[in-house]
Amino acid sequence: NAGVTQTPKFQVLKTGQSMTLQCAQDMNHEYMSWYRQDPGMGLRLIHYSVGAGITDQGEVPNGYNVSRSTTEDFPLRLLSAAPSQTSVYFCASYGAAALDYGYTFGSGTRLTVV
Amino acid sequence: KQEVTQIPAALSVPEGENLVLNCSFTDSAIYNLQWFRQDPGKGLTSLLLIQSSQREQTSGRLNASLDKSSGRSTLYIAASQPGDSATYLCAVSPPQAGTALIFGKGTTLSVSS
Repeated sequence: NAGVTQTPKFQVLKTGQSMTLQCAQDMNHEYMSWYRQDPGMGLRLIHYSVGAGITDQGEVPNGYNVSRSTTEDFPLRLLSAAPSQTSVYFCASYGAAALDYGYTFGSGTRLTVV
Repeated sequence: KQEVTQIPAALSVPEGENLVLNCSFTDSAIYNLQWFRQDPGKGLTSLLLIQSSQREQTSGRLNASLDKSSGRSTLYIAASQPGDSATYLCAVSPPQAGTALIFGKGTTLSVSS
């Protein structure tokens, strides 16, 4: 049982480039979400999904797009990377049947935009 | 707007001490509260989950309590060890299950041998 898998683990982008951070879970969880973690700011919600085909914005959605075509996958797209998007990104999933376990997080993607 | 605060921001203790980490939240309407541990450069590891109807949860040397009415939770660590050194994060889930977590900024714990 792999849990939540994020790829890549590290990435360096040039300003203006686009890329997709991948997130996959194999626990059949209906809820998935993306966070960014910055020093002094804590973890902030970017986007979340309550099921396939349903997404919504979190606290800091600007510059990011998401889609949820399957239960398993929830990719995060950076449209035109900016230095302010340098951060560590975490994906998480949660299942209504997992009341005893709560949210499960991936190991993160460390992104640097130069 | 829900806000989560963790005090202290940093804590240093000698090995063997019992300690308490504090978490407060402004809106008592929560679905559950979860404590995580994060080691430097690593992801989040879930420690304890307390449902809104529960008062406490225990796992080994860890005990987490929840007082919804006062908007407080505490994480008690018994007989601390150097391996407990990490950042501890508190997060609350809004009433709509699965609509993502709201985090505090964490307490960084250092346990010296």
